[in-house]
Amino acid sequence: AQTVTQSQPEMSVQEAETVTLSCTYDTSESDYYLFWYKQPPSRQMILVIRQEAYKQQNATENRFSVNFQKAAKSFSLKISDSQLGDAAMYFCAYPQGGSEKLVFGKGTKLTVNP
Amino acid sequence: DAMVIQNPRYQVTQFGKPVTLSCSQTLNHNVMYWYQQKSSQAPKLLFHYYDKDFNNEADTPDNFQSRRPNTSFCFLDIRSPGLGDAAMYLCATSRGHAGFEAFFGQGTRLTVV
Repeated sequence: AQTVTQSQPEMSVQEAETVTLSCTYDTSESDYYLFWYKQPPSRQMILVIRQEAYKQQNATENRFSVNFQKAAKSFSLKISDSQLGDAAMYFCAYPQGGSEKLVFGKGTKLTVNP
Repeated sequence: DAMVIQNPRYQVTQFGKPVTLSCSQTLNHNVMYWYQQKSSQAPKLLFHYYDKDFNNEADTPDNFQSRRPNTSFCFLDIRSPGLGDAAMYLCATSRGHAGFEAFFGQGTRLTVV
């Protein structure tokens, strides 16, 4: 079965510091997409960043970047210069079998300390 | 401004009493999803529509049904809610290609009493 694993239920970071959230996945596909979504408390889930597997270059969106290791099936999210507004649940997600079915990891709760 | 709207935000229902959750979208997306999310767990896909085609997950209980009368609206019907069905229910939409972003509503928190 194709799965997404987030091994860190909770993480904390000091404001302005950098934190990395881990994600591993299992797939037999050679070309696929990976996503990180953010779910703030009592607000809807939103896309943070997307990575296309065939691209060697790691995706970057402002303070958010990924470390994509295709051979290791690892897809970690780095948040630089953490802000209080980054506090949220972060979910790694993968479209199963290259379809429109999005499968999520269990999530990592990020706390940002002032 | 809201693109995926779920109503109501909070729903309390009695054990065994049918309940319907609604979702609407202004994005004209092909795909509408229903996820169940329990505390500290990953969102679990219940089913989704790709246009009019209904796709049920193998482990979704028969107690859960869905309707999509048109592109904009999708409903989740729980025929006989049990205590174990208490959860956050998330509606999402996407254009349908695996690479496209999914847009989520704020969710409906269902309580079963």
